[in-house]
Amino acid sequence: QQQVKQSPQSLIVQKGGISIINCAYENTAFDYFPWYQQFPGKGPALLIAIRPDVSEKKEGRFTISFNKSAKQFSLHIMDSQPGDSATYFCAASKETSGSRLTFGEGTQLTVNP
Amino acid sequence: ETGVTQTPRHLVMGMTNKKSLKCEQHLGHNAMYWYKQSAKKPLELMFVYNFKEQTENNSVPSRFSPECPNSSHLFLHLHTLQPEDSALYLCASSPSPRGSDTQYFGPGTRLTVL
Repeated sequence: QQQVKQSPQSLIVQKGGISIINCAYENTAFDYFPWYQQFPGKGPALLIAIRPDVSEKKEGRFTISFNKSAKQFSLHIMDSQPGDSATYFCAASKETSGSRLTFGEGTQLTVNP
Repeated sequence: ETGVTQTPRHLVMGMTNKKSLKCEQHLGHNAMYWYKQSAKKPLELMFVYNFKEQTENNSVPSRFSPECPNSSHLFLHLHTLQPEDSALYLCASSPSPRGSDTQYFGPGTRLTVL
């Protein structure tokens, strides 16, 4: 059962454009929503995370928007750069001990120069 | 880089072979994880260890056998694998198994089963 659905599967953006990746979750008990970034040949690394008490979190060019009622959250990459080309995974979990991270299917982002 | 190393980086094995994957974390974390990553699929959690004790086995076939001798080392013993087991196997660690603790991933072992 896929509890976190991610779209699109792949995304091509021009340098300087905005990249938007969307995720939807089913389990209303989730209260922690991280995004991981994975470059080829590397393991995923935490990029940014949000908790449902806020609707938006921004770190540099990366912003998470969170809609609790719709059970959706999205990653926005402003002024996208070729170095942002990677696979992005959304995830969700409960903050409590023993809670597993449930990942989305991933989005392969390509930023053309 | 991330403080989590994995060896080997690539492994090709036949269905009757026995091999082991090794993971080592230099971060002082107490929780360690094995994930399977297949193309266009979500990361699949396989096993979770906390203070060397297995706390989760996500219905993984017995041909995968984990071992955690201490909080810094994690092994995945492989035997009589199937071609569909070919994937990238990722090890991760976190300070504790709390859902909100950041997980630090190694670069993975690319496994090919012939």
